[in-house]
Amino acid sequence: GQNIDQPTEMTATEGAIVQINCTYQTSGFNGLFWYQQHAGEAPTFLSYNVLDGLEEKGRFSSFLSRSKGYSYLLLKELQMKDSASYLCAVRENAGNNRKLIWGLGTSLAVNP
Amino acid sequence: GAVVSQHPSWVICKSGTSVKIECRSLDFQATTMFWYRQFPKQSLMLMATSNEGSKATYEQGVEKDKFLINHASLTLSTLTVTSAHPEDSSFYICSARRGIANQPQHFGDGTRLSIL
Repeated sequence: GQNIDQPTEMTATEGAIVQINCTYQTSGFNGLFWYQQHAGEAPTFLSYNVLDGLEEKGRFSSFLSRSKGYSYLLLKELQMKDSASYLCAVRENAGNNRKLIWGLGTSLAVNP
Repeated sequence: GAVVSQHPSWVICKSGTSVKIECRSLDFQATTMFWYRQFPKQSLMLMATSNEGSKATYEQGVEKDKFLINHASLTLSTLTVTSAHPEDSSFYICSARRGIANQPQHFGDGTRLSIL
């Protein structure tokens, strides 16, 4: 079956570093995406990993280990505006439509 | 780049009304568009995948006669909620993706639908 696990909630302090983990069990794998979603808004794309290793993009980095079915999103120098839900999504080899399998999201609260 | 416009943002209407939601990719051609539904504090639920010029592929449990999808061009897909009832009230979000499958989905701002 398909399963994507993320922590439900996390809390961190402004200026700190936080790591949000995602583990997945899918019938196939063709890439992993991280999205940020603020309350009442649509998701925005953060990162994409298809090969093992770390992808860095400013304050945000994402890591993938395909053998472990594991990814994390690392947020550095946290700001209050980073308070949001972070969604992990995996694309299976599901034919031409290549839909994403979504995790339930991790709600991150950044405190002063 | 990769801007997706969704309209309208808010809809409040009476039970039995049909509501059309538009999703446009403004600066790229979207071979594939996706329609999602999201309830408060829950994750995205994929309703259907729409490819330009062909019939949409609906997820299990989603009534295709209830949620009509049309993807007439590479920049426009529409979702029509027919004869809407209060249980159809939700946040509907579209996303669009360029032709190559490893491209990310880019989301519209969503439509908050309230059926009275």
